[in-house]
Formats: sequence, C-alpha cells, structure tokens
Amino acid sequence: DTGVSQDPRHKITKRGQNVTFRCDPISEHNRLYWYRQTLGQGPEFLTYFQNEAQLEKSRLLSDRFSAERPKGSFSTLEIQRTEQGDSAMYLCASSSPRDLNTGELFFGEGSRLTVL
Amino acid sequence: AQSVSQHNHHVILSEAASLELGCNYSYGGTVNLFWYVQYPGQHLQLLLKYFSGDPLVKGIKGFEAEFIKSKFSFNLRKPSVQWSDTAEYFCAVSPLSSNTGKLIFGQGTTLQVKP
Repeated sequence: DTGVSQDPRHKITKRGQNVTFRCDPISEHNRLYWYRQTLGQGPEFLTYFQNEAQLEKSRLLSDRFSAERPKGSFSTLEIQRTEQGDSAMYLCASSSPRDLNTGELFFGEGSRLTVL
Repeated sequence: AQSVSQHNHHVILSEAASLELGCNYSYGGTVNLFWYVQYPGQHLQLLLKYFSGDPLVKGIKGFEAEFIKSKFSFNLRKPSVQWSDTAEYFCAVSPLSSNTGKLIFGQGTTLQVKP
C-alpha cells in the first residue's frame, strides 16, 4: 500500500498522559497536513508542513500540541497532558508538488484517540 | 471567517432516487472546490474537484457537481443512487490566496441509501 499511513490506529489513554501519533505520507509528497475530526463534524485544520518547515498552525493547536517533520518525510503529532476534550480522530494528509494548483489532498485512515 | 456550510446533516434515500447535497462557502477570493467521501471504515477519498474551466464537473461513480460563483455554491448531484453510496460526504474549499493548499471542510452529510 503506497497511501498515507498512520500509527497507531487507535489509542486509549488516561487524562494527563502524553500521546504521539505518526504519519508517513505518500513518497515524494512535500506537503503534509494534520487535521482533527470529532463526531458529526468535518475535519478541522491543525497544522501544515512544506518539507520540514512548519508553515502554519491553527489556533486550535494549543501549546500542549506539537508537531514535527524532522527530515521532510514522516511527521509526528504529540499531545501532552491529554484532556478528555482531545478525544477525536487525528487525520494526516499529504499532497504532491504536481498537484499544487489543483490542491488534492490524500488522507490516511486516521488515529483515533480516546482520553478517559 | 472562511467557512463551508452543508445544508443537510443526514439524508435517507431509496435506491434509484436522485441525490442533491447542498454546499455553500463564504470566501470572497478565488477558491478550489472539492467533494470528498468517506465510506464506512475507510479514509477520506476525493469524489471530484473544481479549479477552473467548465463549472459542471464530473467525478467518480456517476457523481457531478456544479459551481455557481454568484451563489458561492458547489452542490453535489447523482441522478440515481445505489446502496453502495451510503457514506459521509464532505464539501471543502481551498482558498488560493493562502498558498498552503489546506482545505476548509463543511460539517459533512451522512447519506443512507436503503436497498
């Protein structure tokens, strides 16, 4: 499978614990995006990387959230001191420089976080 | 603020019925427009997109959408739905001025097709 892959698919944690999600984009896709989706809502933009540079962060991304893409390939999203309100599906997407004008994003299957 | 509004949260149809899902966006500049679909247990997939040219665009599985600039709308249509079209449908816009390629999604419409 050469699509966007995310790990883990499901994570259950206790409030106050730290969690980390990983995203492997499609090879050679230089743009990578993180979204959050809660039940009954559409995906909400969190942050965006072009290669290794984090170029935009949403106001939704509190200081407990940090994302990295150290070598411009895979990315991690860490949530520190999790709260019950962090329970959601975290989606990763990537796009190709060839799709710059048309803007199609390719999504992974998501990492579902449940905070008890 | 930029936003996308989908008119219907939950739609129930019988097979062979016609489908139209409404989508309006609020943004004054040039945008690319998308419809994504999420089948149960699967990832978001692109149905169709508009970025220039003919405002009537055709996508996969018999879906089409019409961009009406004056109404800021991008409604999704299918003349005859099938049970396999049961899924969640998301309208999204990408403002070209942002140059990030990020998508702003509507809240989604759940389509249930009864056999």
